[in-house]
Amino acid sequence: GENVEQHPSTLSVQEGDSAVIKCTYSDSASNYFPWYKQELGKGPQLIIDIRSNVGEKKDQRIAVTLNKTAKHFSLHITETQPEDSAVYFCAARGLGSTLGRLYFGRGTQLTVWP
Amino acid sequence: GAVVSQHPSRVICKSGTSVKIECRSLDFQATTMFWYRQFPKKSLMLMATSNEGSKATYEQGVEKDKFLINHASLTLSTLTVTSAHPEDSSFYICSARDRGQGWVSTDTQYFGPGTRLTVL
Repeated sequence: GENVEQHPSTLSVQEGDSAVIKCTYSDSASNYFPWYKQELGKGPQLIIDIRSNVGEKKDQRIAVTLNKTAKHFSLHITETQPEDSAVYFCAARGLGSTLGRLYFGRGTQLTVWP
Repeated sequence: GAVVSQHPSRVICKSGTSVKIECRSLDFQATTMFWYRQFPKKSLMLMATSNEGSKATYEQGVEKDKFLINHASLTLSTLTVTSAHPEDSSFYICSARDRGQGWVSTDTQYFGPGTRLTVL
């Protein structure tokens, strides 16, 4: 099955700085890569996703890039705010996953200091 | 985005009792729902995949007789923890697959808010 690695496991930034979280995947057939934000005691919330037919996608302060050749994708958060503090999970889904199963990274605890 | 609800949000029960958790997709039909378990400061561990009208598919190491899953309709899946024990205490989260409509494939997975189970 797919193997997703996520780095770093913890990330601390000052308010206003940028944050970057990186993930790699093993299955070259994977074609869908979502990012989820999970606040303490809550379920994960989809914040952005990208499909394999595009290399970059942006939504206000959040952007995701995909490098299919290198099999890695990254989440970029600009102008970070304290409310961005949460655990972020990347995931990948392959063409062979007919039921839509996602494979998750281990998560990154982002802390934004005011 | 689409909304998935879970009920109850918290449950405390005595050892040996059974607990049912409901997962509903509120504004879309979900032929596939997923059940996860999450330990503190850990990633999401897939327990089983639930398909409407058919038996659930369990991940290796997950006891199907202990964690009963029923996906009775396109908007509802239930997880029943039977004869719960303290080691079953955890955060259980469901997700629902929204395959979208028309020729544009959105095929996105949305999560519920989770259920905190505490077994005394």
